[in-house]
Amino acid sequence: EAQVTQNPRYLITVTGKKLTVTCSQNMNHEYMSWYRQDPGLGLRQIYYSMNVEVTDKGDVPEGYKVSRKEKRNFPLILESPSPNQTSLYFCASAPGAYYEQYFGPGTRLTVT
Amino acid sequence: SQQGEEDPQALSIQEGENATMNCSYKTSINNLQWYRQNSGRGLVHLILIRSNEREKHSGRLRVTLDTSKKSSSLLITASRAADTASYFCATFVRGAQKLVFGQGTRLTINP
Repeated sequence: EAQVTQNPRYLITVTGKKLTVTCSQNMNHEYMSWYRQDPGLGLRQIYYSMNVEVTDKGDVPEGYKVSRKEKRNFPLILESPSPNQTSLYFCASAPGAYYEQYFGPGTRLTVT
Repeated sequence: SQQGEEDPQALSIQEGENATMNCSYKTSINNLQWYRQNSGRGLVHLILIRSNEREKHSGRLRVTLDTSKKSSSLLITASRAADTASYFCATFVRGAQKLVFGQGTRLTINP
C-alpha cells in the first residue's frame, strides 16, 4: 500500500530534550516536506526536499533541522525543543515539485 | 506567510445542498490544489488545477480558477454527511518549490 508513515504519532517531551520525528514514504517520491499545523494559522511549511541531499527552508524553519540521506526518509529534528513548538506535524511526499502531495497521519507534539 | 485566504472560515449546510468555498491568493502560481482534512487527521488531496486551466471536475467536485482575480472556488454538489471536514486551498508559487496553504474552511453537513 502506498503510504507516508510518521513516528511517533504522539509525543510529550520537556524543553531542551532533543527529539527526532521520522518520516518514510514507499512511493519513490523525489519531493518531501514537513508542515506544522496550529489553530488559526493553518499549515505552514517548515522544510522541503527536492531530492537526496537537497533541502531548503520553508516559511517557519527556525528551531528545526532536516536531512535527506535516503530518498524514502526525511526526518525532522528538534535539537532543543521549546513550548512554542507544541503543534501537530505533518510529513508529505510528492513525485516532484508542483505535484499533489501525499500526507502522513500526523505527529502531535507537546513540549512542556 | 499566508498565500491563500479562504472564505468563509466556517460553513454549515443541510445534507443534499451544494457547498461553495472560495480561495484568494497573492502572487503568480504554477498550480492551485484543494485538500480535505477530517478532524486533525492527515490531509487528502482532492484536485489540482493548473494556472492555464479555468475549470476542473472530479466526481461531485468542481473547481474554478480565475488567475486575473487570483481566486479559486471549490463546489461540492449534493453534499453528504461524510463531506464534513476542513477544506484547504494551497498554491505552488511560480518559481518556488514550496506549497503554501490557506487557513481553511470548516464545512459541516447537517443530516
